[in-house]
Amino acid sequence: SAVISQKPSRDICQRGTSLTIQCQVDSQVTMMFWYRQQPGQSLTLIATANQGSEATYESGFVIDKFPISRPNLTFSTLTVSNMSPEDSSIYLCSVVRLTQYFGPGTRLTVL
Amino acid sequence: SQQGEEDPQALSIQEGENATMNCSYKTSINNLQWYRQNSGRGLVHLILIRSNEREKHSGRLRVTLDTSKKSSSLLITASRAADTASYFCATDASNFGNEKLTFGTGTRLTIIP
Repeated sequence: SAVISQKPSRDICQRGTSLTIQCQVDSQVTMMFWYRQQPGQSLTLIATANQGSEATYESGFVIDKFPISRPNLTFSTLTVSNMSPEDSSIYLCSVVRLTQYFGPGTRLTVL
Repeated sequence: SQQGEEDPQALSIQEGENATMNCSYKTSINNLQWYRQNSGRGLVHLILIRSNEREKHSGRLRVTLDTSKKSSSLLITASRAADTASYFCATDASNFGNEKLTFGTGTRLTIIP
């Protein structure tokens, strides 16, 4: 199994600001994934974060809007930049260890 | 586009009854997984079925996979109030397996005590 923590657990932000979400895993993993879950919707993969290389973004997501850092094998951050109300979502990180394990999520509300 | 679609979107049953949820997908997969999500928080992995498997059991859970129809079902037997949650199927079509997941639309299950 994997124990994943995320900070913050929730936040309310103003339009135009940025928020950085942290994801910490209890042991080293090669890949970390960032997902978005818009209200009442399913999960959509934003990007895959590999240590030592640029993150790989899915269609519809760009680095300028969602910059990702992966400084080591147990930690990653996702920044939601220049936020608008449409960015209000739950953001989840996940890792693979035989199966995928998800963090508890960060609930973001943009006013 | 999102690969998986689930039906029903919402399901309410009495405690003790069985709940069945279905998932359809569009492309070839390595495996299909089912997750539970309580109150919009993190997902809990329930069960994984590989593309060469047809049925799998785990406790009160029974999952079937029909690759010819590109569909899967999740059966929860003898439901309990604690089973109230959203259930998502997720498919893995990556080259090496267990990488990027594509999630279905989800089924909101409510167990009535």
